Amino acid sequence: DSGVTQTPKHLITATGQRVTLRCSPRSGDLSVYWYQQSLDQGLQFLIQYYNGEERAKGNILERFSAQQFPDLHSELNLSSLELGDSALYFCASSVEGTGAYEQYFGPGTRLTVT
Amino acid sequence: GQNIDQPTEMTATEGAIVQINCTYQTSGFNGLFWYQQHAGEAPTFLSYNVLDGLEEKGRFSSFLSRSKGYSYLLLKELQMKDSASYLCAVTILTGGGNKLTFGTGTQLKVEL
Repeated sequence: DSGVTQTPKHLITATGQRVTLRCSPRSGDLSVYWYQQSLDQGLQFLIQYYNGEERAKGNILERFSAQQFPDLHSELNLSSLELGDSALYFCASSVEGTGAYEQYFGPGTRLTVT
Repeated sequence: GQNIDQPTEMTATEGAIVQINCTYQTSGFNGLFWYQQHAGEAPTFLSYNVLDGLEEKGRFSSFLSRSKGYSYLLLKELQMKDSASYLCAVTILTGGGNKLTFGTGTQLKVEL
């Protein structure tokens, strides 16, 4: 158990819908990262937050957005869902934001868009 | 952009040693990670290298050559539970944050 929690574990929804994925980092970790993992793309970095502020952006679509709240939990919002958004979404946390520390991954949310 | 290459699959025998290579081309290099991922599970941290040389941690060792853009993960005394995907990831510092770019992973199969 990494100490990072993600809810829900599974999510099935239809195209065009909007969903919110939630992540709570390990106690004491200030940085939260979101990743998407699909079979044909591997693990793709989406976005990083550090202590409530956006720090780095990866290949995140405009239909996707995220935020980190004062209690440090984070939410990833996916809208206008397409079939290709079906993937495993991981949240990870680290103690700080420079990239020199290991990231602890949550168990993931498996999103299926039908 | 960043380019990370690692073999797609490897097979090794229980008790043996296996070396998984990773080459990368990137600017703003700020370190290289190795993660282990079992199917359907979260990646777990194995090692981090930012300076040239070998880092040893139990049965696992990782080597980095920054000038060659090359790293390897060495697994000794292989066990069946080591069958997993091994992900090489390069971190690039950008504007105070960092981007972690993962390779597509090397699927290791350990056989009796």
